[in-house]
Amino acid sequence: SQTIHQWPATLVQPVGSPLSLECTVEGTSNPNLYWYRQAAGRGLQLLFYSIGIDQISSEVPQNLSASRPQDRQFILSSKKLLLSDSGFYLCAWSGFGTGYGYTFGSGTRLTV
Amino acid sequence: SQQGEEDPQALSIQEGENATMNCSYKTSINNLQWYRQNSGRGLVHLILIRSNEREKHSGRLRVTLDTSKKSSSLLITASRAADTASYFCATDGDAGKLTFGKGITLSVRP
Repeated sequence: SQTIHQWPATLVQPVGSPLSLECTVEGTSNPNLYWYRQAAGRGLQLLFYSIGIDQISSEVPQNLSASRPQDRQFILSSKKLLLSDSGFYLCAWSGFGTGYGYTFGSGTRLTV
Repeated sequence: SQQGEEDPQALSIQEGENATMNCSYKTSINNLQWYRQNSGRGLVHLILIRSNEREKHSGRLRVTLDTSKKSSSLLITASRAADTASYFCATDGDAGKLTFGKGITLSVRP
């Protein structure tokens, strides 16, 4: 069966420090991968999505970047965190194309 | 911008009652999905309805889709305290990318 792992669960970082959040998927190959951010009491904002290794699209210009060094690994990074980067970050995967539900990781609560 | 807009924003019902949540969207879609999120957790996929379907059932869940009105509803029958969570609709309109609404907070009182 397919599983998705996201870590860490919580993170407190000072302003200006770097960030690295990791997400891995098991039990499937060539998944679509996504990073979302959820602000308190708000919906989910799509940050990045990837349809393959080194194929990443950014939805919102910001202080963050994403990389996909392996087929089932998706990393969210920042060189210098801002206060506005605080939030709940969720990684998700889906099958290729449309018509598939997303499977989400358990999320990372980031406080800057 | 948000594609799906849920209504109401918050709903409080008694255990055993039915809960109805609505979602409206603006552009054409391939499918519409509903998710549940327990506090501080990731989202869980509940049900997907395709644009050529009008109604779908899964256990105590019933979803309808009216593409002419660009709206969907999620009905949870015989609610339980464990159904307390936030519920999101999401539309799939562009190469598998989902756009989520702001969510509905459902409280089921024991």
